Amino acid sequence: GAVVSQHPSWVICKSGTSVKIECRSLDFQATTMFWYRQFPKQSLMLMATSNEGSKATYEQGVEKDKFLINHASLTLSTLTVTSAHPEDSSFYICSAPYSREGLEQYFGPGTRLTVT
Amino acid sequence: GQNIDQPTEMTATEGAIVQINCTYQTSGFNGLFWYQQHAGEAPTFLSYNVLDGLEEKGRFSSFLSRSKGYSYLLLKELQMKDSASYLCAVLDSNYQLIWGAGTKLIIKP
Repeated sequence: GAVVSQHPSWVICKSGTSVKIECRSLDFQATTMFWYRQFPKQSLMLMATSNEGSKATYEQGVEKDKFLINHASLTLSTLTVTSAHPEDSSFYICSAPYSREGLEQYFGPGTRLTVT
Repeated sequence: GQNIDQPTEMTATEGAIVQINCTYQTSGFNGLFWYQQHAGEAPTFLSYNVLDGLEEKGRFSSFLSRSKGYSYLLLKELQMKDSASYLCAVLDSNYQLIWGAGTKLIIKP
């Protein structure tokens, strides 16, 4: 099956700093990638849809100036958490659909962010 | 609004069978997915149903009734490694995945 990687797997940063998370589709091209956030014991919450070559689409309530998304190529999307605060500590997961309809959406392994 | 309901937690015995139900109300329907998620890990794909009926894949089967807005995931011959959360997700008319809160399945020896 298709493989999606994420880097880093986990990161600890100080409050007020910025953190960049990379999401790569390793063996297929992804014009669209999705960024999710998952708090403990809760379901996935879609943050934004990353579109190659155009601006990301953010879900209601997600600050686009705080969560910067760049989809620079067909295999790479990045999420930058700017001026991180402890409440941003969460599990961030990206996914990429393997077809236009989103069938068999493949997930990256996730990034555990802890802001101290 | 869009809504997906599934039980919060279920407990079953190793070797037994368990059925996890999912009901949905969404704007449009382009398929229903089941994912397995172990603690601290990303979800992994289990099944996809877009037509009514039962899809069998090894020990796991998934059923869909579009008229009832209902699906279930059936796990047979339960193993301890099946302890995980099981997420139901529906692809709506905009091809956006709407996620249920997940069902935590606890397997006891």
